[in-house]
Amino acid sequence: QQQVKQSPQSLIVQKGGISIINCAYENTAFDYFPWYQQFPGKGPALLIAIRPDVSEKKEGRFTISFNKSAKQFSLHIMDSQPGDSATYFCAANGTDKLIFGTGTRLQVFP
Amino acid sequence: ETGVTQTPRHLVMGMTNKKSLKCEQHLGHNAMYWYKQSAKKPLELMFVYNFKEQTENNSVPSRFSPECPNSSHLFLHLHTLQPEDSALYLCASSQTGGLKDETQYFGPGTRLLVL
Repeated sequence: QQQVKQSPQSLIVQKGGISIINCAYENTAFDYFPWYQQFPGKGPALLIAIRPDVSEKKEGRFTISFNKSAKQFSLHIMDSQPGDSATYFCAANGTDKLIFGTGTRLQVFP
Repeated sequence: ETGVTQTPRHLVMGMTNKKSLKCEQHLGHNAMYWYKQSAKKPLELMFVYNFKEQTENNSVPSRFSPECPNSSHLFLHLHTLQPEDSALYLCASSQTGGLKDETQYFGPGTRLLVL
């Protein structure tokens, strides 16, 4: 029950389109859900995070949608740009350990 | 640019070699982490140090030996590794390690290949 399931594994989107990455969890003790972005040759970096007391959080073109009853959360990238091409990891934390998803490789083509 | 540096960036070693990975953080943090990143797998937490004390060993084989001489430096000593240990090894740091919503800052990683 410590897993976080992430899909899709890879995603190809046209410039200007919407990229959507989904994650699901089982452990109801999780109460902090960050998304990390990783460019090739770099380590992951925090992109945006949400707590389950809100259903949505938006920062610029990036939005997290959270469905507590379904135990699912998703990252939406609006107006996707080639510079958004990276690997995205969802994660969850209920104690003091981050549990990561398997990652989604996003490619945005001009 | 990240305040966490790792050396070397790439490492090739034989199964009988001994090598060490180094991590340094310039952020004034008190918690440091080692993660293993393999293709199509979640990042795997290996070790956690808080204020130089090891607080987490995630069932890591003894051929991996961490060392944290101070809050700014973290090492991972490697010996008699197996080919399946080939992966990207990431170091991270956070302010205290005690808060679930603390941001972890990652280094660029060491790409390890075991032949």
